[in-house]
Amino acid sequence: AQSVTQPDIHITVSEGASLELRCNYSYGATPYLFWYVQSPGQGLQLLLKYFSGDTLVQGIKGFEAEFKRSQSSFNLRKPSVHWSDAAEYFCAVGAQGNNDMRFGAGTRLTVKP
Amino acid sequence: NAGVTQTPKFQVLKTGQSMTLQCAQDMNHNSMYWYRQDPGMGLRLIYYSASEGTTDKGEVPNGYNVSRLNKREFSLRLESAAPSQTSVYFCASSEWDRGQSPLHFGNGTRLTVT
Repeated sequence: AQSVTQPDIHITVSEGASLELRCNYSYGATPYLFWYVQSPGQGLQLLLKYFSGDTLVQGIKGFEAEFKRSQSSFNLRKPSVHWSDAAEYFCAVGAQGNNDMRFGAGTRLTVKP
Repeated sequence: NAGVTQTPKFQVLKTGQSMTLQCAQDMNHNSMYWYRQDPGMGLRLIYYSASEGTTDKGEVPNGYNVSRLNKREFSLRLESAAPSQTSVYFCASSEWDRGQSPLHFGNGTRLTVT
């Protein structure tokens, strides 16, 4: 089965600074990759997804992620962080046909004024 | 558009009590899921229903049962609650197979078992 690792439990960045959240996956074939965001007291919301094609995908709220097969990574980026981006971010990996999606443990983002 | 609705939002149970968590979606999705979220562990799948009339175990099914009442509704039952079931529970739905189809989540039920 596939698995996903988010190496950073907690990241703090200043407002206006750039952001990169790391995600590494393990899967033998081409994975389906997702990033979700969870605000306090809320459910998870899809930020973006990668299925195939262009390895740089754009999502909502100004986020993007790049799929790098050679590094088994799908890192999330944002050029300039806003205070409202403070939340927990989850990377997830799925695969066609096996009805299984695995989530990472999450990275909590704090934004300093 | 309500999306995925879960009730209740909060619940406190004593050990051994039972309860049912309710979930309904209005997106005409085929698949529905129950996850639990615990600190540092991400989300773990309890049970899922790939389509109306079917249910299957996920990673952590022990102590739970589910019912796919119809296409819209998917309930989770704790027959005899234990402190280890203290968690935040999320219902989710997807158009098709969750391996390739994004999940839509409810806002969660925070359950405490004392």
